[in-house]
Formats: sequence, structure tokens, C-alpha cells
Amino acid sequence: QVQLQESGPGLVKPSETLSLNCTVSGGSVSSGSYYWTWIRQPPGKGLEWIGYVDYIGFTKYNPSLKSRTTISIDTSKNQFSLKLTSVTAADTAVYYCVRERKAAVLDYWGQGTLVTVSS
Amino acid sequence: SYDLTQPPSVSVSPGQTASITCSGDKLGDKFVYWYQQRPGQSPVLVMSQDNRRPSGIPERFSGANSGNTATLTISGTQAMDEADYYCQAWGSNTHVIFGGGTKLSVL
Repeated sequence: QVQLQESGPGLVKPSETLSLNCTVSGGSVSSGSYYWTWIRQPPGKGLEWIGYVDYIGFTKYNPSLKSRTTISIDTSKNQFSLKLTSVTAADTAVYYCVRERKAAVLDYWGQGTLVTVSS
Repeated sequence: SYDLTQPPSVSVSPGQTASITCSGDKLGDKFVYWYQQRPGQSPVLVMSQDNRRPSGIPERFSGANSGNTATLTISGTQAMDEADYYCQAWGSNTHVIFGGGTKLSVL
């Protein structure tokens, strides 16, 4: 059974960089069949796709966040990561790491981690 | 950009049929997926590729997609079905597009 687990600081100051990791177990991020994805959900609001990375490091980002987003992959640790720069209160959200079976389905979700942007 | 529109809320009596819609331009030309999210939990896929139920999803869940509207139907709605429901489709610039979500209340 594939499991994804987010980790990282729960509190980030405005203008700083949000950094999260996602550790995958029960499956390999080196598989060419999947995109490794970040999705966020502000409190009380809907889901927003942030972007993905594939096993060779190819990335695609939401145009609205592209200038501030970097998603990377570390196959040696079976992890992928999110960095979001210059954060504001609008970036406060639950951040989910998700496995996408390429353009087929978002099939496994992490439990999500709340990141609050506040001084 | 491509938008998916859902009603903010739908109410249904226990045992009755709930229908949740998702609208978008020529949505019938795309595959639509539906996710259920209970409070404090991660979304769970309840319908794939318009009308395919993943393993473990009750038969009372069904889906359809035609024209500009996709519909998730829950027959014999139970209290445990009370949740937020999100439709999702694949885009081009924005790879994954979500609808705004519908809160299903079972009253």
C-alpha cells in the first residue's frame, strides 16, 4: 500500500520560504508511471494544484504560482519536495503531497500538513 | 483559463438521491473525477473517468458526463455521505483543475 507523508515547519514568517518534504513508502518515486504532485487547500476553501515533478526531475507548475515555486525529487531518499518563496498570509493552507498516475488519476494522498504564514 | 463550476451546497434527506453537478465548457470532451472530503481528512477518489467506481466505493455512487455538465449521483444517501465533493479534470496550462467544491448536507 502506497503511503505519502508530508513533513516540514508548520509556521513560516511572511516573505520567507515555505519548504516541505514528502516521503513515499510502499512505492518508488523512480517509477516513470507517475507524477509527484503538491496540492494545497486554504482553510475553509477549495483545492488548488501547485505542480508536479516526475522521476527525472521534469516539472510543471500552476501558472499563478510558477514564479515562486520549485518542486524537486530525491530518488535516493524516495522523497520529493516543495519550496514556495516570498510567502504571504494567502499561502496559509493545508499542503498535500499526492501521487498522480499520469493524466489518469490522483490516486494516493498524504494526510496533509497545515502551514501557517504569520509573524 | 478553464473553470469548473459547482453549486456551493446541496441538501438531501436520508435515503433520497443526491445529485452534484460540475459545469465547464465542453466538459463532456474531458474525463471528470470526483473526490469526497470529510472534515479534517484528505480527499478520497469516489469516481474516476466520468463513471468508473474505484474499488471499495459503494454502488450507490454513480457518475455521468455529457455536454457541458458532469454529475455525481448518490442513490439512497446515507449520513456518512455528508462531506465536501470536488470535481476535477485535466487542463493544459493548469494541469489539474478542480471545481470549487460542493458541501453535501444529509438532513
